[in-house]
Amino acid sequence: GQQVMQIPQYQHVQEGEDFTTYCNSSTTLSNIQWYKQRPGGHPVFLIQLVKSGEVKKQKRLTFQFGEAKKNSSLHITATQTTDVGTYFCAGQGSGNTGKLIFGQGTTLQVKP
Amino acid sequence: KAGVTQTPRYLIKTRGQQVTLSCSPISGHRSVSWYQQTPGQGLQFLFEYFSETQRNKGNFPGRFSGRQFSNSRSEMNVSTLELGDSALYLCASSGLQGGNYEQYFGPGTRLTVT
Repeated sequence: GQQVMQIPQYQHVQEGEDFTTYCNSSTTLSNIQWYKQRPGGHPVFLIQLVKSGEVKKQKRLTFQFGEAKKNSSLHITATQTTDVGTYFCAGQGSGNTGKLIFGQGTTLQVKP
Repeated sequence: KAGVTQTPRYLIKTRGQQVTLSCSPISGHRSVSWYQQTPGQGLQFLFEYFSETQRNKGNFPGRFSGRQFSNSRSEMNVSTLELGDSALYLCASSGLQGGNYEQYFGPGTRLTVT
């Protein structure tokens, strides 16, 4: 079945350093969504990427969708302590339904 | 708009019992998906309901079931609880944005099976 792999599993950075998490799907995706989950919280929707090669920015966060629509990345510039949490990518296959296959997540720790 | 609500937020059950969890989606959203989150397995898709019909199903045993009502509210049921069913159960409400679904999660129900 469809699988979504996400690396790294953990990342510890010093405040001000950059951070990147990568996501790879075993199959072509119709779109990919990114979520952030704070400790003790629930996943919060960040963004959806639909088009091949798409790049979207939200302040210090940059999201990319690969040309083959099988991989994606999230890059945070100059991390802050408020960025702490687990970042998940979630792929949607064909059929445009409410079924998402989640990556294992990358947990980001930021040292002040 | 109000967000996704789930009840109860916390639940403690013993092995062999059954449990019913409830989810109210965002107003206007017709798709409700359920996920199980555990430290070891991450977020795993259980099933999706759309207009009272199960549209997708994950790889969980038949002890896990769900339904959706005409007002889009959804319930999931787990029968004959096992210790391994201890998890955070998340409900996600989906709405179409630009032709694609975006999912918004509720706060979850933390189920502990003893």
